[in-house]
Amino acid sequence: NAGVTQTPKFRVLKTGQSMTLLCAQDMNHEYMYWYRQDPGMGLRLIHYSVGEGTTAKGEVPDGYNVSRLKKQNFLLGLESAAPSQTSVYFCASRNGGFGNQPQHFGDGTRLSIL
Amino acid sequence: GNSVTQMEGPVTLSEEAFLTINCTYTATGYPSLFWYVQYPGEGLQLLLKATKADDKGSNKGFEATYRKETTSFHLEKGSVQVSDSAVYFCALSDLSENDYKLSFGAGTTVTVRA
Repeated sequence: NAGVTQTPKFRVLKTGQSMTLLCAQDMNHEYMYWYRQDPGMGLRLIHYSVGEGTTAKGEVPDGYNVSRLKKQNFLLGLESAAPSQTSVYFCASRNGGFGNQPQHFGDGTRLSIL
Repeated sequence: GNSVTQMEGPVTLSEEAFLTINCTYTATGYPSLFWYVQYPGEGLQLLLKATKADDKGSNKGFEATYRKETTSFHLEKGSVQVSDSAVYFCALSDLSENDYKLSFGAGTTVTVRA
């Protein structure tokens, strides 16, 4: 079972460059999420989606955009990368229903902005 | 708003020692509670969960009891192994806007020495 797959796994960018992180899930989940993980801060929600064609802002959305054109894919874009966006990015998905359904996480994308 | 406070690490133990990681929460509703584990270089994996007061979640020798009166969900294991070395995250899921979002603690790094 692939579960949640993130590509790429590592990336180094220069300030001002743009890139897109791809998240794909094969569990037919409705809900998908993008987080960033920084030392001592746990995971913080960037954007999320409650279904195909929908997106919404999370806790730290500035500097990021997302799209959910297909149910299985959730893309995170950085239009003009900044050093403050150096982080580990995690995608997650979960089934519908109530809050007792756990989120399933990918292995992360380690992004460095120089 | 919702928040999760975890015992600060890092925690270093010898094999077969007893492990406790404290977790307390603040929530406006009736959240579900989770412990996730992150092994080096990997994403988060669900370790255990509890969905209502007095529920006990358990998995791989770990246990945590949902204590509503003390708003706590402490993680315990009676005899740790080197393979338990990881970062542990306490999290709660509660309804916010149109989705059940996760709020994470900062994480506790546990190192078990042989």
